[in-house]
Amino acid sequence: DAKTTQPPSMDCAEGRAANLPCNHSTISGNEYVYWYRQIHSQGPQYIIHGLKNNETNEMASLIITEDRKSSTLILPHATLRDTAVYYCIVRPRDFISNFGNEKLTFGTGTRLTIIP
Amino acid sequence: EAGVAQSPRYKIIEKRQSVAFWCNPISGHATLYWYQQILGQGPKLLIQFQNNGVVDDSQLPKDRFSAERLKGVDSTLKIQPAKLEDSAVYLCASSYWGHAYPANYGYTFGSGTRLTVV
Repeated sequence: DAKTTQPPSMDCAEGRAANLPCNHSTISGNEYVYWYRQIHSQGPQYIIHGLKNNETNEMASLIITEDRKSSTLILPHATLRDTAVYYCIVRPRDFISNFGNEKLTFGTGTRLTIIP
Repeated sequence: EAGVAQSPRYKIIEKRQSVAFWCNPISGHATLYWYQQILGQGPKLLIQFQNNGVVDDSQLPKDRFSAERLKGVDSTLKIQPAKLEDSAVYLCASSYWGHAYPANYGYTFGSGTRLTVV
């Protein structure tokens, strides 16, 4: 079962920042927070991940609360091409001792619609 | 680099027929996954390979589904016989693994095969 809770849908105006929340209140110390998105008729695409510090890359920023029980994915200037389903996933950190347990467990995600 | 290749892109079959899907992962990716995505749901893992060995097939309906990765590279997923509830998108993904596996490596997914069983 997915260990995260996300709103089923959100709208955002084009050009504005899209802020997608995720609750992962049962996250353990060895688990990362990953974000993927799935554009219509495509496979999921990796966006960003983090452990406890805020992270930024060319696609997005990830803000993780100090207690790590929730996070927010930020798309700073949303475009129509950002319309997709966004998945927040927790995943074990130690890939050596957890060999064979690298699967991603998807929930139903947040359907983000960018409004022109 | 080339992405994960899957074929066919679409397939329509009648119930009780057989169907096979093919996946070619990114070169050098030792781990290969097959996911099933039913409309409106997130992808669900069916089977995970490490090279040509099965690591996790706990959610694979083994009475009708089978998968193989004989040479540790490309893989096929087969359904025999198909049921109406097998209508879904079948996604293949691959990832790098090694003792220096950096935690920031994500999966790379193919575009999937959309199966419709009528």
